Amino acid sequence: GENVEQHPSTLSVQEGDSAVIKCTYSDSASNYFPWYKQELGKRPQLIIDIRSNVGEKKDQRIAVTLNKTAKHFSLHITETQPEDSAVYFCAAKWHDYKLSFGAGTTVTVRA
Amino acid sequence: DGGITQSPKYLFRKEGQNVTLSCEQNLNHDAMYWYRQDPGQGLRLIYYSQIVNDFQKGDIAEGYSVSREKKESFPLTVTSAQKNPTAFYLCASSIDPGQGADGETEAFFGQGTRLTVV
Repeated sequence: GENVEQHPSTLSVQEGDSAVIKCTYSDSASNYFPWYKQELGKRPQLIIDIRSNVGEKKDQRIAVTLNKTAKHFSLHITETQPEDSAVYFCAAKWHDYKLSFGAGTTVTVRA
Repeated sequence: DGGITQSPKYLFRKEGQNVTLSCEQNLNHDAMYWYRQDPGQGLRLIYYSQIVNDFQKGDIAEGYSVSREKKESFPLTVTSAQKNPTAFYLCASSIDPGQGADGETEAFFGQGTRLTVV
């Protein structure tokens, strides 16, 4: 099976600064790593994902990096804005369809 | 309007009663999932199903049961054997990875059901 560890559990940043969330996974066979954002009272929604054959992916202010050797991947948010405040979850997917999530990071962007 | 629908949004039940949470999707997705969300513990996998009439236990399956008689439906029953059933339950679905452009595609979530056992 897969075990996903996520750090930190809470993160407070000044508006305009960067935020970084890190995750590690246990199963080297995992091949898909999505990141989800959950705003208060809403369902989780995909913000970016990366596959095991790619080392980095960027979408405007959001980027994800993957180190397969070390079995860790990170989410980077640059130029943070108040609307970035939410809970962020990383996940890892094994070839048997099992999608396992980290415990989540509560991000607060201070104005 | 395609999507994944959970019902009801809020559910109250007496201790010792079984309760079934509904999850329906019209996205033609093969894989479906049930997660439990508790404060500070993220999303924990209860059951998942890759195809009709087949499902697998997740990390916290004890006290829960599921069925997958139709592709679009994946109901979850919270039984009286579940010691702490009060939680927020999320259902998700994703396309068969084998049909995706790169083999993997995102999971879409329902809006969730908040179950309170009194």
